[in-house]
Amino acid sequence: DGGITQSPKYLFRKEGQNVTLSCEQNLNHDAMYWYRQDPGQGLRLIYYSQIVNDFQKGDIAEGYSVSREKKESFPLTVTSAQKNPTAFYLCASRGTARTYEQYFGPGTRLTVT
Amino acid sequence: AQSVAQPEDQVNVAEGNPLTVKCTYSVSGNPYLFWYVQYPNRGLQFLLKYITGDNLVKGSYGFEAEFNKSQTSFHLKKPSALVSDSALYFCAVRDPDQAGTALIFGKGTTLSVSS
Repeated sequence: DGGITQSPKYLFRKEGQNVTLSCEQNLNHDAMYWYRQDPGQGLRLIYYSQIVNDFQKGDIAEGYSVSREKKESFPLTVTSAQKNPTAFYLCASRGTARTYEQYFGPGTRLTVT
Repeated sequence: AQSVAQPEDQVNVAEGNPLTVKCTYSVSGNPYLFWYVQYPNRGLQFLLKYITGDNLVKGSYGFEAEFNKSQTSFHLKKPSALVSDSALYFCAVRDPDQAGTALIFGKGTTLSVSS
């Protein structure tokens, strides 16, 4: 899983509560990404950031928010507006513009009841 | 719109036999193609990529993939499967003509290697 850490590994929350998932990287990568993984659906892009203080919505951004105040950190907040928040969340990063592959963290499994 | 398809939800092979995990893509320009592997409750690990050049790409753990532009395919292969290869495999594509740097992933193929 390289130099990308996600914490915690398992997270449990009650419905209606906001929750923030941590993603930190020490790879000096510029771009960072958040994906959601559901069984049989592959990975879907939530948000991405190509540079500090800038980020763009992905395919399923509704009910989520992010910030990119530091190059190393890209936290994801799952808000109470997200209708089906229970999922496996994966953070990834990518190096220079000529490095096309992304490197993934170990993931956080969020369960909302 | 760019997309990637993995037509098989599951592939079963016996240890020692060759394996193939299929992937087809659709992009408007020349594709950048990737294979990743995921073990249970873990993140994705990068296996290999095709950007340009030789159509046969070699990657980690003895895996290779063949880019076929006419068939818009990028199948993952290994000459001799190991039980430890059992995992979930994802194909991904990036259209270099599109803005942004995110990858589009297939839905994944579960590889099961029996001893």
